[in-house]
Amino acid sequence: DTGVSQDPRHKITKRGQNVTFRCDPISEHNRLYWYRQTLGQGPEFLTYFQNEAQLEKSRLLSDRFSAERPKGSFSTLEIQRTEQGDSAMYLCASSWGTGGNEQYFGPGTRLTVT
Amino acid sequence: GESVGLHLPTLSVQEGDNSIINCAYSNSASDYFIWYKQESGKGPQFIIDIRSNMDKRQGQRVTVLLNKTVKHLSLQIAATQPGDSAVYFCAENIQGGSQGNLIFGKGTKLSVKP
Repeated sequence: DTGVSQDPRHKITKRGQNVTFRCDPISEHNRLYWYRQTLGQGPEFLTYFQNEAQLEKSRLLSDRFSAERPKGSFSTLEIQRTEQGDSAMYLCASSWGTGGNEQYFGPGTRLTVT
Repeated sequence: GESVGLHLPTLSVQEGDNSIINCAYSNSASDYFIWYKQESGKGPQFIIDIRSNMDKRQGQRVTVLLNKTVKHLSLQIAATQPGDSAVYFCAENIQGGSQGNLIFGKGTKLSVKP
């Protein structure tokens, strides 16, 4: 396993469209996290899963954002009715364990909403 | 609110010199800290971590120091190289907390002059 992968790497969409991003974590990692990063800022936590259970989703930016990890492996992050303010880098990370352990990040998906 | 911050937004050093990047955290309950390196267009790359029961940890060319009394974290890079040029983030986590997410600061941009 070469690390966390994300697809697509870049996405350009028009305002009002729905987008879905995929994250494949390191295979033995049971925790998966989604973060958002805007230019010049550190990553901002959105949500995370332990296996298939979504343990925290109150930080999702609005009800337009949702995430799934149906089989406890890959995860998807969907943004409905995109707005220009959603333009950012969306990062996925994974880790092993039940507490705060080192999280390994993927390359991110750069979203541009026009 | 609780956050991790950095003393300096930019740092410029001469190749071969040692670099010190500082970070202040405000949550006294945080007990796990990580330093990440992020190059342009890439996801954060794990550098080194430290738990609150330690005050120093060394890796290859890097050392992290933790001062819990003043809630201060630093990253020392020995013999800085051009490849070290990047944005460095510190992040904190409460391992015993219900959330596994990391809280990031805004980052310090390190520039290495040849």
